[in-house]
Amino acid sequence: EAQVTQNPRYLITVTGKKLTVTCSQNMNHEYMSWYRQDPGLGLRQIYYSMNVEVTDKGDVPEGYKVSRKEKRNFPLILESPSPNQTSLYFCASTQGQGNTEAFFGQGTRLTVV
Amino acid sequence: AQKVTQAQTEISVVEKEDVTLDCVYETRDTTYYLFWYKQPPSGELVFLIRRNSFDEQNEISGRYSWNFQKSTSSFNFTITASQVVDSAVYFCALKDGWAAGNKLTFGGGTRVLVKP
Repeated sequence: EAQVTQNPRYLITVTGKKLTVTCSQNMNHEYMSWYRQDPGLGLRQIYYSMNVEVTDKGDVPEGYKVSRKEKRNFPLILESPSPNQTSLYFCASTQGQGNTEAFFGQGTRLTVV
Repeated sequence: AQKVTQAQTEISVVEKEDVTLDCVYETRDTTYYLFWYKQPPSGELVFLIRRNSFDEQNEISGRYSWNFQKSTSSFNFTITASQVVDSAVYFCALKDGWAAGNKLTFGGGTRVLVKP
């Protein structure tokens, strides 16, 4: 079954404690992205990757890092989380450009206290 | 810059009523793609439909229909004879033809509550 898998689904952490949210896709897609969802703002792109070792900033990259060492995996790293990073996070993968739809993971609800 | 506006933040209807969700977009590209996603209470994002900028045909899929009008930059979504299972947040999204990173620009979402 084609899917994007994120872990964990829920996470509560304290300010400043480094964390990683994992994302893996089994569709051999080239493009992967991270989005955050906040009320009234929809989803906004944090970072994206066009292929292995190729990543770039999206619209809201501050406070986040990513890496793409393997095609299937695209972890999101918060090195020093702050309360304004409390949000719902989604990983997405897409095959190629154009009108192909994005496949989303189940979401990770992060709370930073 | 791209922008998607979903002016209705929440719509409440009684089962079997029709409901229309508005989506207005802005882009400078002549080639672009529009999408609708559904987010049920469980939280995942479910792809519903895509539309290319050069294809203005309306589409119907069961109780769902979409009206794409380039002249008004709108891509509206209608649920006919709504059911409780249609209760969800619905997002309209835009992707430019050569969007860096395949970026989707989302509207703020419309929450639909269907009461029995």
